[in-house]
Amino acid sequence: KAGVTQTPRYLIKTRGQQVTLSCSPISGHRSVSWYQQTPGQGLQFLFEYFSETQRNKGNFPGRFSGRQFSNSRSEMNVSTLELGDSALYLCASSAGQSSYNSPLHFGNGTRLTVT
Amino acid sequence: AQSVTQPDIHITVSEGASLELRCNYSYGATPYLFWYVQSPGQGLQLLLKYFSGDTLVQGIKGFEAEFKRSQSSFNLRKPSVHWSDAAEYFCAVGALQGGNEKLTFGTGTRLTIIP
Repeated sequence: KAGVTQTPRYLIKTRGQQVTLSCSPISGHRSVSWYQQTPGQGLQFLFEYFSETQRNKGNFPGRFSGRQFSNSRSEMNVSTLELGDSALYLCASSAGQSSYNSPLHFGNGTRLTVT
Repeated sequence: AQSVTQPDIHITVSEGASLELRCNYSYGATPYLFWYVQSPGQGLQLLLKYFSGDTLVQGIKGFEAEFKRSQSSFNLRKPSVHWSDAAEYFCAVGALQGGNEKLTFGTGTRLTIIP
């Protein structure tokens, strides 16, 4: 079974631009979560989707948004990029309805650099 | 608010030596407990989980962890480390908080192995 696939692996953007990251979960998984990982802040939860519905949202500004499609694939979008948005963005899928009681399967992440 | 503490930011052990990584949490009820490992440039991989039952759980790669309710701890152990165990290790705790399902990651412990 193929793992979680995140595209692209690397992105370089300029301040003020917007970016869209994509995540394809493991086949059959309907729950997708997104995390931002930085050396200073560790793993910060962005949002979680199950069957196209956002179940949970972290404490990020409205510039960060996401969605999930009927095939469980998910995208996250960051508008008006700031230097502080430079990070590794991780997507994870799970077989359960929620990530809090179901093991997560992570992709290798998208490394976003904002200049 | 729920919290997860990994008190050791960085640990260095010799190859073949035993290992214990600490994880403490603060919640009212027994939460769902996880350990994940992250190798450089990759996403996180589940090592093991505890939901209920036997408080000593076995995971992949020869790791085990013990849930101690009285100490609110879920420490990860390995009897003899290998150079390939060098990575960052994250403890995660899932619990209901104010009716919301929440998964919280610790800040991670970086493990260095010396020959």
